[in-house]
Amino acid sequence: QITLKESGPTLVKPTQTLTLTCTFSGFSLSTSGVGVGWIRQPPGKALEWLAIIYWDDDKRQSPSLSSRLTITKATSKNQVVLTMTDMGPEDTATYYCTRLYGDSYFDYWGQGTLVTVSS
Amino acid sequence: QMTQSPSTLSASVGDRVTITCRASQSISTWLAWYQQKPGKAAKLLIYEASSLESGVPSRFSGSGSGTDFTLTISSLQPDDFATYFCLQYNDYWTFGQGTKVEIK
Repeated sequence: QITLKESGPTLVKPTQTLTLTCTFSGFSLSTSGVGVGWIRQPPGKALEWLAIIYWDDDKRQSPSLSSRLTITKATSKNQVVLTMTDMGPEDTATYYCTRLYGDSYFDYWGQGTLVTVSS
Repeated sequence: QMTQSPSTLSASVGDRVTITCRASQSISTWLAWYQQKPGKAAKLLIYEASSLESGVPSRFSGSGSGTDFTLTISSLQPDDFATYFCLQYNDYWTFGQGTKVEIK
């Protein structure tokens, strides 16, 4: 059974850095072709892809946010960490962790974690 | 860019429901459909435009290629009241805005 779970702060202040952790089970990020990604959804808006890290440590980031994003993995811990710098109110969203199937679609999702940016 | 419609759909149990996604440029068949319920993980329904994910009921089907795609629920069941969204994975990843299927 594949599961993913997001963890991190529910409230951050403007200009702070957000650090989110995805802890997953049921698969390994050392398996060829596997990736783990982050997606967010601001209230009332569409989902937005943020970043992906692959089994071979290759990374992809949304061009519009790449300067603010860092994605890393701890394979032995089955964790992927996303950091986003210089948080603003527009970054208030539910953040989702997902598994990427063969560099194509996301086949498993976490339940999401709501992050609010407010002073 | 993916344009999904309608944003909200009111339907009854047993109805045939159709949701559409239109891509701003051709994405071949690199499109997936998902179901999402509040507080739950999104569930993959369809990939590669028309391939049914294992375990998904056959009342769900997908069609289309190029720029126009459709998700059809042949006979709406009580468990199907949810939000549905599309994902294109031809060039990075972009989502439709979502369609909420409500009880009429």
